[in-house]
Amino acid sequence: DQQVKQNSPSLSVQEGRISILNCDYTNSMFDYFLWYKKYPAEGPTFLISISSIKDKNEDGRFTVFLNKSAKHLSLHIVPSQPGDSAVYFCAVSNFGNEKLTFGTGTRLTIIP
Amino acid sequence: NAGVTQTPKFQVLKTGQSMTLQCAQDMNHEYMSWYRQDPGMGLRLIHYSVGAGITDQGEVPNGYNVSRSTTEDFPLRLLSAAPSQTSVYFCASSYGTGFEKLFFGSGTQLSVL
Repeated sequence: DQQVKQNSPSLSVQEGRISILNCDYTNSMFDYFLWYKKYPAEGPTFLISISSIKDKNEDGRFTVFLNKSAKHLSLHIVPSQPGDSAVYFCAVSNFGNEKLTFGTGTRLTIIP
Repeated sequence: NAGVTQTPKFQVLKTGQSMTLQCAQDMNHEYMSWYRQDPGMGLRLIHYSVGAGITDQGEVPNGYNVSRSTTEDFPLRLLSAAPSQTSVYFCASSYGTGFEKLFFGSGTQLSVL
């Protein structure tokens, strides 16, 4: 039973526009949320995170939003660039927990 | 600085064969873990270790063994490979369970025929 779901396997966005990637989780005990980015033939790399005491965190072009009541988080990329084309995974945990649970991934393609 | 090194990059096995996927990190990280990536399933945790001599099971541990005799190395053993173990395997390490600093290797693509 998937605890973390990314319902869009793929997403295509025009260069310069906003990309919005979504992630839903089932366990309200999760309090620590991350996004990772993965290029082909490489391992994932950390992108941005947010704790449950916040509802928004920004880092340059990347913003993560957390809606705890809906158990939903999203990643906004503005403006989207060709180098953003990759697979994006959300991941969840609890502070101090030793396990990080990943979602199913969304392949983002930025169209020049 | 090598980071997390996985070997081999590619491997083809026959059903029933055994093999060990190697993972080494040179960052003195206490936490190490193994994930498998399958289409539509994302990354699933197989086993993890919070330090030398300590290992524990993740979400999909069946068919895999691990040990952690040193801080640097965390090998993953397949004792009797099955086609269901065809996957891409990633090793990752971090200083603790602060997962912003979870560093991944480049992966091992395994096919079991």
